[in-house]
Amino acid sequence: GESVGLHLPTLSVQEGDNSIINCAYSNSASDYFIWYKQESGKGPQFIIDIRSNMDKRQGQRVTVLLNKTVKHLSLQIAATQPGDSAVYFCAVLYGQNFVFGPGTRLSVLP
Amino acid sequence: DGGITQSPKYLFRKEGQNVTLSCEQNLNHDAMYWYRQDPGQGLRLIYYSQIVNDFQKGDIAEGYSVSREKKESFPLTVTSAQKNPTAFYLCASSTQGRTEAFFGQGTRLTVV
Repeated sequence: GESVGLHLPTLSVQEGDNSIINCAYSNSASDYFIWYKQESGKGPQFIIDIRSNMDKRQGQRVTVLLNKTVKHLSLQIAATQPGDSAVYFCAVLYGQNFVFGPGTRLSVLP
Repeated sequence: DGGITQSPKYLFRKEGQNVTLSCEQNLNHDAMYWYRQDPGQGLRLIYYSQIVNDFQKGDIAEGYSVSREKKESFPLTVTSAQKNPTAFYLCASSTQGRTEAFFGQGTRLTVV
């Protein structure tokens, strides 16, 4: 079956530094890889996705890297801000179903 | 505004009672999902539906039931058979060919 895991359950970074959140997946037969952000008491919100035939995609202050050889996905946040404090989930899309990882809680220190 | 709405936000249930969580979307999405979220465990799929009048069990369907009589609505019933129902429940919807799932604000269910 499919499984998605994260390397660290929590991550603390200084405001202004870059953040890197990592994720591993088990099944290579996936179409898309997605990152979500969940603020306290709210539902997750889409951040960025990357298709399986790509290895890098950039958005506004975020970059997603995909390494299919080692089945690893990462989210990089540039110049981390207090508003970035949240739980970040990676998800893998298999057909029309999303399989989520356990999440990394990012704390931004002043 | 288009979106997905869950109600209520907080729900308390006595042991042995069934309770139904509401999920409505006006995004014209075909697919709808119910997830359960427990601390440190991410989101686990309970049920999903890709079309009206059809739904499939997810990874943790035992003790739950759903219906999909209308495209816009996908209610989840937590039955008395669910042994540990206290959790945060999230409903989501998506459309074929899109990677973005839209989530509701969640319902926090507590058994008292």
